[in-house]
Amino acid sequence: DGGITQSPKYLFRKEGQNVTLSCEQNLNHDAMYWYRQDPGQGLRLIYYSQIVNDFQKGDIAEGYSVSREKKESFPLTVTSAQKNPTAFYLCASSMKGPNYGYTFGSGTRLTVV
Amino acid sequence: RKEVEQDPGPFNVPEGATVAFNCTYSNSASQSFFWYRQDCRKEPKLLMSVYSSGNEDGRFTAQLNRASQYISLLIRDSKLSDSATYLCVVNTETGRRALTFGSGTRLQVQP
Repeated sequence: DGGITQSPKYLFRKEGQNVTLSCEQNLNHDAMYWYRQDPGQGLRLIYYSQIVNDFQKGDIAEGYSVSREKKESFPLTVTSAQKNPTAFYLCASSMKGPNYGYTFGSGTRLTVV
Repeated sequence: RKEVEQDPGPFNVPEGATVAFNCTYSNSASQSFFWYRQDCRKEPKLLMSVYSSGNEDGRFTAQLNRASQYISLLIRDSKLSDSATYLCVVNTETGRRALTFGSGTRLQVQP
């Protein structure tokens, strides 16, 4: 079955560490996105990519980095520069662009310990 | 002003009730509109797209009012399983090809 897979489901990070969240899709979607959700709040856009080897910053890109070397994969690195990284991270994909709506992965809960 | 605004609720309604949510958006050039449903600690799932002429899917009806820049979601005959947070989603920025999410309206259907 086609879908979008995020791993790990839960991640614990020590202060000062970089961590990478995985996002893989087999839907043949061109566009992929990363959002962050804090408790009781909406989703905020971190980065997005419309095609391989190209990506754009969203509203809260500081402290994060991404790569898009393959169509299927869009990993997100949370760097030590991100001062408040504890949140629920959601990856999504869509055909060509947002007008088609998104399919989401099941998310990664990151906690700083 | 937020790009997409929703009443956070919660809306507490009895089973069988009809409930309506509204959402306003700031960019008059917005092109695409959706309602997503998010269960507690889960990912959002697409409930329905919203079309200019309005559209219905079973007990759910979505309306778009471009002149007033709001969209609505009507749920008839509420079920316990409808309890969730409903997210209003808009493609707001010309040139930025990504969706903007409202903070969500929480619905609790009670027996």
